[in-house]
Order: sequence, then C-alpha cells, then structure tokens
Amino acid sequence: GAVVSQHPSRVICKSGTSVKIECRSLDFQATTMFWYRQFPKQSLMLMATSNEGSKATYEQGVEKDKFLINHASLTLSTLTVTSAHPEDSSFYICSASAGRNQPQHFGDGTRLSIL
Amino acid sequence: QKEVEQNSGPLSVPEGAIASLNCTYSDRVSQSFFWYRQYSGKSPELIMSIYSNGDKEDGRFTAQLNKASQYVSLLIRDSQPSDSATYLCAVGSPGGNNRLAFGKGNQVVVIP
Repeated sequence: GAVVSQHPSRVICKSGTSVKIECRSLDFQATTMFWYRQFPKQSLMLMATSNEGSKATYEQGVEKDKFLINHASLTLSTLTVTSAHPEDSSFYICSASAGRNQPQHFGDGTRLSIL
Repeated sequence: QKEVEQNSGPLSVPEGAIASLNCTYSDRVSQSFFWYRQYSGKSPELIMSIYSNGDKEDGRFTAQLNKASQYVSLLIRDSQPSDSATYLCAVGSPGGNNRLAFGKGNQVVVIP
C-alpha cells in the first residue's frame, strides 16, 4: 500500500519551456502533498506544502509564480515549472501524507534538465 | 540548534555486521518518527515508523525511540551490500501540517 506515482520521470527541454509534473497517490487519500527539490549530494529541500482545494504554502525563497502548484483533488497535485532555465535543473520529488502523524510517501522523482 | 541532527559521518560496516544510526531532535512534543532509505539518484523510501518509546522491529531493522532523551536510532542487523544507501531520520511536526523535519542523512556502506 501507500503508493505515490510521479510523472514524468525525466524531462529534458530547452530554456524557456514550462514543465508540468504530476503526483498521484494511488491507493490512499492524501490530505497533504509536498514538493521537494534535491541537488546532487545535498539534502532534500522542501519547496511547498499543498492541501487539497487550497493555495500552496511556499517555503522562504521559493518563487510561487515560478513554481505553480495545483492540488485539485485528494489524490493529485501538480507542479509546473514556468519558463524553466538551466538553474532550475534538479531532481524534483513529491510526497503525500494521509494525515497527522502519518509518514510521507514519496514518488520516484522527476529529473529535470534544462538545456 | 537544528531540528533533526544526524551527526555521524559515513558508516562502513562489513557484510553481516550490525549498522547503528542515531538521530536527535529538538522539539520535545514531537510524536511521530520515521526512517527513510535513499539510494543514490533515487527518492526516499519509508522503512520504519515509530511513535512510542521502546523498540520496534521489522525484519532486519529495529527502530528505538527515547522521548525523554529526544533520540531515535536505527539498527540494521545482518547488513547486506543492498543496504548501502543514505538513511534519513525524519520527525513529524507537532503543528498539524503533516510536515517532516529531515536530518541530513547518514551514508552507510556495507563492505562484502
């Protein structure tokens, strides 16, 4: 149980392109979903927290107009990297939690490379 | 003081030995504690959850929680080369937003 699906797994695109990443909880309802970014050999960095039907809460230093998050249902959240540039290249990982004191279950991540 | 600390450097253990990882946390009212395993280039995978003081065993993994001392540990018995990974300690936020505070992780290398 507790499967989180994240697509696509890898994206390579030109600078200026917008990229959409989907995160789905397949066998549970996720009250909260999270988006992380991780650079090589570094720790997970939380970008934003999203709850179904409400605006995402962004961490300090994360541009909300750059990283658009939509949490349309209890099983789906999307992250759109708008007008991506090479410095946005990273490993983006979503996670989902079924509720308070519950673990976060992670998707497989999306490796984004902007040329 | 950081919320969750994992201070030890990379840990090398021979195959078949016990790997021991420790983690301390700062928020005394935290109630949920997790260990994740992350292979290089992959996303974290939940391996243990623990909520009460004492030991919790699952296969070759044992998590230990001591709320009075604010530490949580993970033991890996009969270590295998496939256990070579980074292990992340995570502590649930008492604030009710379901956030986790992660430690920086400990790299474990099991030597065949």
